Formats: sequence, C-alpha cells, structure tokens
Amino acid sequence: AQKVTQAQTEISVVEKEDVTLDCVYETRDTTYYLFWYKQPPSGELVFLIRRNSFDEQNEISGRYSWNFQKSTSSFNFTITASQVVDSAVYFCALSEAAGANSKLTFGKGITLSVRP
Amino acid sequence: DAGITQSPRHKVTETGTPVTLRCHQTENHRYMYWYRQDPGHGLRLIHYSYGVKDTDKGEVSDGYSVSRSKTEDFLLTLESATSSQTSVYFCAISESTSLYGYTFGSGTRLTVV
Repeated sequence: AQKVTQAQTEISVVEKEDVTLDCVYETRDTTYYLFWYKQPPSGELVFLIRRNSFDEQNEISGRYSWNFQKSTSSFNFTITASQVVDSAVYFCALSEAAGANSKLTFGKGITLSVRP
Repeated sequence: DAGITQSPRHKVTETGTPVTLRCHQTENHRYMYWYRQDPGHGLRLIHYSYGVKDTDKGEVSDGYSVSRSKTEDFLLTLESATSSQTSVYFCAISESTSLYGYTFGSGTRLTVV
C-alpha cells in the first residue's frame, strides 16, 4: 500500500529565511506520481507541482524548488526567502499506477508559519 | 471560473440526522472523490467515483454512502451523523485518473452537535 510521511508537523520561520518541507513516500510501484498542494488560511487546496517517478530532475519555480530523490524515497520542497504569504498547510501526495482505482494518498500536512 | 462547487459551504446538524453534501462539476471529468480533512490526519479518502453509477470505498468509508447518477454530480450522504464526522469535507475531480492530480472544491465545514 502506498504511504506518505510528512514528519514535520509545524514549522515557524522568520521572513526571508529559507525553509525545507520534507516528504517521504512508500510504494511498490515503479510508476508513480508525486504532488505538493498548498492550503492557505482561506482553506482552498492549491496544486503546486506534479513529478513522475522517471523524472528525477529538480524543479525550480521562482522561490519554490523541489528535490526528488528516488534513492531515499523523498520529495522535498524548499521555499527560498520565505514570505508571510507562504504561511499555509502544505501537503505532499502520491499516486500509484494508472487505472480506475488509482487515487491520491496524502501526508498529514505541514503547517508553515512565516513571521514578519 | 470554478469548475467545481460544493454545497452547502457550512452546515450544523444534530447527531443522528442524515446529511447530504453535494459536489457539482462543470468540467465533464470522469473521476470524482470525497475526502475529509481533520487535524493530525491530513486528507483521507472517503469514497470515489470513476463514472456514472461506478463508485468505490476509500479508507474511511464507514458511515458514509455516495451516489453518482449524473457525470456532474457526486453526492455524499452521512446516513446518521455522529460527532466523529465533524470535519471539513472536500470534493475533488480529475480528468484522467489520479496521475494528473486533482482540482478541489472549496470544502464544506460540517459540525455535528
């Protein structure tokens, strides 16, 4: 069965600090996808990134970057020069192979607080 | 431009009463999901649907039923609400399995008193 572990539950940083959110996953499949979602205080769930199991290239999008390492089954998310608007709950999620029964399994989320 | 809407947004109900939450989409997506979000548990799958009248259970399906008679609507029913079902419920849609991620609705905050 697939599993996602976000060991950090709450992180508090001061604005402009860099912060890394950890995600470790378990799966028996060789083909799978990993995701990060953001949930700001307003409550909606916002898609941030999708990464497939065959693409281990790191990805950078502005202040956001993702480090995918199959060797350690990790898909970590770094925010550079954090801002107050980054305060949110962040979820990592995993989907195994395609098919009608495929579905996303989420970690428990990490609450990030960025203080001015 | 929301392609997925949930109703109601907030509801307070009494223990033992049936409750139905509605998820409506305008994207014509095949896959629809119901999750609940609770502190310390993240998002957990209740039920999902991979087509009209095709539904299946998730990891926390006890006490819930679903129906999908039209592509655009996915209903979640709490047959006899209990306080443990106080939660925020999210509906999600996906065009083609979960490999492409989901689009989520805005959530329904349900309180069972």
